[in-house]
Amino acid sequence: EVQLVESGGGLVKPGSSLKLSCVASGFTFSSYGMHWIRQAPKKGLEWIALIYYDSSNKYYADSVKGRFTISRDNSKNTLYLEMNSLRSEDTAMYYCAKTSTRVPLYWGQGVMVTVSS
Amino acid sequence: DIQMTQSPPSLSASLGDKVTITCQASQNINKYIAWYQQKPGKAPRLLIRYTSTLESGTPSRFSGSGSGRDYSFSISNVESEDIASYYCLQYDNLPYTFGAGTKLELK
Repeated sequence: EVQLVESGGGLVKPGSSLKLSCVASGFTFSSYGMHWIRQAPKKGLEWIALIYYDSSNKYYADSVKGRFTISRDNSKNTLYLEMNSLRSEDTAMYYCAKTSTRVPLYWGQGVMVTVSS
Repeated sequence: DIQMTQSPPSLSASLGDKVTITCQASQNINKYIAWYQQKPGKAPRLLIRYTSTLESGTPSRFSGSGSGRDYSFSISNVESEDIASYYCLQYDNLPYTFGAGTKLELK
């Protein structure tokens, strides 16, 4: 059974940094691309980043480009999202998701990030 | 970036109704559209990929169609368990983009 478990969220001040983790199990992590997708409170879904299975390519939404970095450690079955220069508009539930033929198929339960002074 | 215009923002239906949600892309997305269902407090669930391919476990009352820029998603014979929000996602081009969502409520 595919499982994705996010962690690392919390309450932080504007301008600060945070690093999210997503531990994967139930599949060969090193064979699949992985996404980060977020959802602001009572708002819609926003795709924010994709990393290829071998980290050879990384893509970002314009809203986070230059501030967020997606990475992975295939030896630890773990996906990361390093978030710098956080803004109030980054407040959201952050989901990691496993790709299946380009589509985010399996999603974690999400981790909440709140940016507030 | 490709914009996805989803409508309506909300929908009220009675049990047994057929409902349809549309998404229009700002350019041809070559049928690379997926549809997700999200219930309150839960992660989204993929229902349909590549316009009309149902995921394993998706009931046959769900369907999708379209081409080019225009796509639709339908639920025939709405059941109480279908009350949720629905989102389209284009995955033809990066960055991927979601529609704004449709909240389905019971009349």
